[in-house]
Amino acid sequence: LAKTTQPISMDSYEGQEVNITCSHNNIATNDYITWYQQFPSQGPRFIIQGYKTKVTNEVASLFIPADRKSSTLSLPRVSLSDTAVYYCLVGDRAAGNKLTFGGGTRVLVKP
Amino acid sequence: NAGVTQTPKFQVLKTGQSMTLQCAQDMNHEYMSWYRQDPGMGLRLIHYSVGAGITDQGEVPNGYNVSRSTTEDFPLRLLSAAPSQTSVYFCASTERAGYGYTFGSGTRLTVV
Repeated sequence: LAKTTQPISMDSYEGQEVNITCSHNNIATNDYITWYQQFPSQGPRFIIQGYKTKVTNEVASLFIPADRKSSTLSLPRVSLSDTAVYYCLVGDRAAGNKLTFGGGTRVLVKP
Repeated sequence: NAGVTQTPKFQVLKTGQSMTLQCAQDMNHEYMSWYRQDPGMGLRLIHYSVGAGITDQGEVPNGYNVSRSTTEDFPLRLLSAAPSQTSVYFCASTERAGYGYTFGSGTRLTVV
């Protein structure tokens, strides 16, 4: 499974867009990029998954450049309730049972 | 749908005791996994299953056993609890490998 590197923490303000970049220089051809969100005292929640270019859902957008060595999770117009830890995972779907969570990025949204 | 249900939510054990953490899902998911999360850390995979009767070890399997007799249930057994097993345990399931997992709300275990 490809190793990922994310910032340890980020601060933002309500209404702003938050962009979290994840580096995965040794991503393999069959690897997908998946992001999870975790609130305190709760289990992680799946946010979005992508392979290349751009993926958007009702919660976030995921931008993946052509070389796929990094990806950016974009949270539009954050609110206080978006304060959480965000994890970037990279792996082959066939090895999906072996999800490897790094330290994640702690996002603090301020009023 | 209840999703992934874990019981108990909290548990205190004495060193050497054994217990079983329960996990049940009602989504007919084939893939299920157990993770532990230590304070301020990411999740680490303990054991996983790709279907009834099939289990395998993850990153930190020592001290834990699992079984998968039905699609719905995936219990995690602590054989002889140690203080190093104090952690929050999460169970997760997914319909297919590599797709988004649904996590339970966790079991907070303290071993004294």
